Amino acid sequence: DAMVIQNPRYQVTQFGKPVTLSCSQTLNHNVMYWYQQKSSQAPKLLFHYYDKDFNNEADTPDNFQSRRPNTSFCFLDIRSPGLGDAAMYLCATSRGSTGSPYEQYFGPGTRLTVT
Amino acid sequence: ILNVEQSPQSLHVQEGDSTNFTCSFPSSNFYALHWYRWETAKSPEALFVMTLNGDEKKKGRISATLNTKEGYSYLYIKGSQPEDSATYLCALGEYGNKLVFGAGTILRVKS
Repeated sequence: DAMVIQNPRYQVTQFGKPVTLSCSQTLNHNVMYWYQQKSSQAPKLLFHYYDKDFNNEADTPDNFQSRRPNTSFCFLDIRSPGLGDAAMYLCATSRGSTGSPYEQYFGPGTRLTVT
Repeated sequence: ILNVEQSPQSLHVQEGDSTNFTCSFPSSNFYALHWYRWETAKSPEALFVMTLNGDEKKKGRISATLNTKEGYSYLYIKGSQPEDSATYLCALGEYGNKLVFGAGTILRVKS
C-alpha cells in the first residue's frame, strides 16, 4: 500500500544534542510537510517542500532545518533541541497543484522526548 | 492569520449515543475545510474535504456540514461505537497547499 512512513516512532534525545527525524513516501507526491504538535495544541506547520523548493513558515525557529534529497525522502533536523521542542512531529504529503490539491496524507508521527 | 477553534475539547459518550462537534473559523478566505480522524498510534486519516457553502458529506455513520458564511462546520456521529474513539481534527486549506489545524476534539466511546 502506498503510504507515508516516519522513523523512528519514538525518539529520545538529550538537551542540546542534534537529532534527525525521517519521513519517506511511496505516493510520489510533489509536496512534503513537517508539522509540530505539542500536547493539547493544534498541529503547527513548520515548513514544506514543493518539489525541491523549500518554504519556511515565518515563525519557525532557526533551530529547525529540513532536507529533501529526493522525491521520496524528507528529513527534519533539530540542531540543538530544547525542552520546549518535545512534541509529536508529523510528516505529510500532497500532490500539489496537479490532480486534487486538497488532500494531505499523514504519517503516524514521531514523538520526541528531550531529557 | 487564520484561527481555527474546535469544541468541545473532549467528549465521553456511551456506545449507541449520537454526538457532534464544532469547528469554527473567522474567515471565508480558504479553499477547503478538512476533517481528519486520528486514532492513537496511527496516522491521521482524512474523513471529508468540503469546499462549498452548504456542502454536506457522509461516510457511513459519520457526516459533516459546512457553513462558510457563518464560519462553522459540524461533524456528526450517529450511534457511536468504541472504534469511533479518536481525536477529530478540522483544518482549513489555505491557498499555497497549507493546512491550518484546530486543536481537535478527543472522543471516547464507552461500551
